[in-house]
Amino acid sequence: AQSVTQLDSQVPVFEEAPVELRCNYSSSVSVYLFWYVQYPNQGLQLLLKYLSGSTLVKGINGFEAEFNKSQTSFHLRKPSVHISDTAEYFCAVSPAAGGGATNKLIFGTGTLLAVQP
Amino acid sequence: KAGVTQTPRYLIKTRGQQVTLSCSPISGHRSVSWYQQTPGQGLQFLFEYFSETQRNKGNFPGRFSGRQFSNSRSEMNVSTLELGDSALYLCASSLATGSEQYFGPGTRLTVT
Repeated sequence: AQSVTQLDSQVPVFEEAPVELRCNYSSSVSVYLFWYVQYPNQGLQLLLKYLSGSTLVKGINGFEAEFNKSQTSFHLRKPSVHISDTAEYFCAVSPAAGGGATNKLIFGTGTLLAVQP
Repeated sequence: KAGVTQTPRYLIKTRGQQVTLSCSPISGHRSVSWYQQTPGQGLQFLFEYFSETQRNKGNFPGRFSGRQFSNSRSEMNVSTLELGDSALYLCASSLATGSEQYFGPGTRLTVT
């Protein structure tokens, strides 16, 4: 079974400051890792994903994340945030191929990024 | 190309009734998954369908059921609605396992 922990329920930050949203996971099999963003009254949009290869993954809107297998972490970072980045961010995992063919996503509880002017 | 569509967007039902939600995936996508989102429990996996077969099911009571049609469109049904079923129900589609999943805008179900 897999689980995802997002320790920070809310992260306030000033506009143009850097931000890091933390994600740790637990799994007995290899996993794929994802970050999704949800704006108010909308569905989820994929920011970036790690399937294999380079541990530094770049996504949309200037976000990036680094997969750290030894620390079982997949923290999301952005060097300079904008007001428009205010949203809920979800980290998710799913079993990798060979760990069971499925698209089932296990989500963390989410982190509200609140960007202030 | 058109994204994932979910109908209806908003729904109000009375406790004890049943409800059917619909999801139309992106053209060519054969995998459809359903999730329930609530403030208390967060995002929880309901089911996953691939080529009309249920491939995975989450830990929900038997009142929650789903199906997928030959055109990949999917429906989920909740019978004997309870107040706790009030939630945003999200559908996601993808080409294959490990492919990017595209989410629809969701159906907001309110049970009174």
